[in-house]
Amino acid sequence: GAGVSQSPSNKVTEKGKDVELRCDPISGHTALYWYRQSLGQGLEFLIYFQGNSAPDKSGLPSDRFSAERTGGSVSTLTIQRTQQEDSAVYLCASSQRGTNTDTQYFGPGTRLTVL
Amino acid sequence: AQSVTQPDIHITVSEGASLELRCNYSYGATPYLFWYVQSPGQGLQLLLKYFSGDTLVQGIKGFEAEFKRSQSSFNLRKPSVHWSDAAEYFCAVALSGGYNKLIFGAGTRLAVHP
Repeated sequence: GAGVSQSPSNKVTEKGKDVELRCDPISGHTALYWYRQSLGQGLEFLIYFQGNSAPDKSGLPSDRFSAERTGGSVSTLTIQRTQQEDSAVYLCASSQRGTNTDTQYFGPGTRLTVL
Repeated sequence: AQSVTQPDIHITVSEGASLELRCNYSYGATPYLFWYVQSPGQGLQLLLKYFSGDTLVQGIKGFEAEFKRSQSSFNLRKPSVHWSDAAEYFCAVALSGGYNKLIFGAGTRLAVHP
């Protein structure tokens, strides 16, 4: 596609439920990133993929958070046993190679609300 | 630890006025610096970036930014603001020598009066 797409655009869930957020990067981009945007914490890095591997998972807030990437393309961020503090906008970005000079292209985000 | 500070949470300017958004970073080496804009309900869009060379960089939509090593600053400027520039602006730094993990500032929300 022309840009990074994310689904769903909005997700409302009950505390304790599991959720899956999907990211479709720009075709051919080997690097993929997940960020979280919340009122209290601003924009935070969560995880970085190079191909299907995740060399940096340092931003995942707890072991309830996990992510995978398959076929060097689609990525899924899974949050288990959601808590109210997980409410945020989850942004995905991709870049061509993942080097510092690359431009990251961001998707529109998934707004997650945990009731 | 690396950090980015945007001192102004909210700025209001009149249409046609000049604009400067401040950004200061804390990092031992020369960082890779970025400015992104986020319009309501939209993802982040890159305005410009600095890696090396000329310290004044030009971006899209008439924006420019100047890297000042002595002040650890990378301020964003526009000579004449348009109503469509109302958005939130984020300064970010990526660590040199690695992959492009971005550390963002808290953002500055820009309002434009007609």
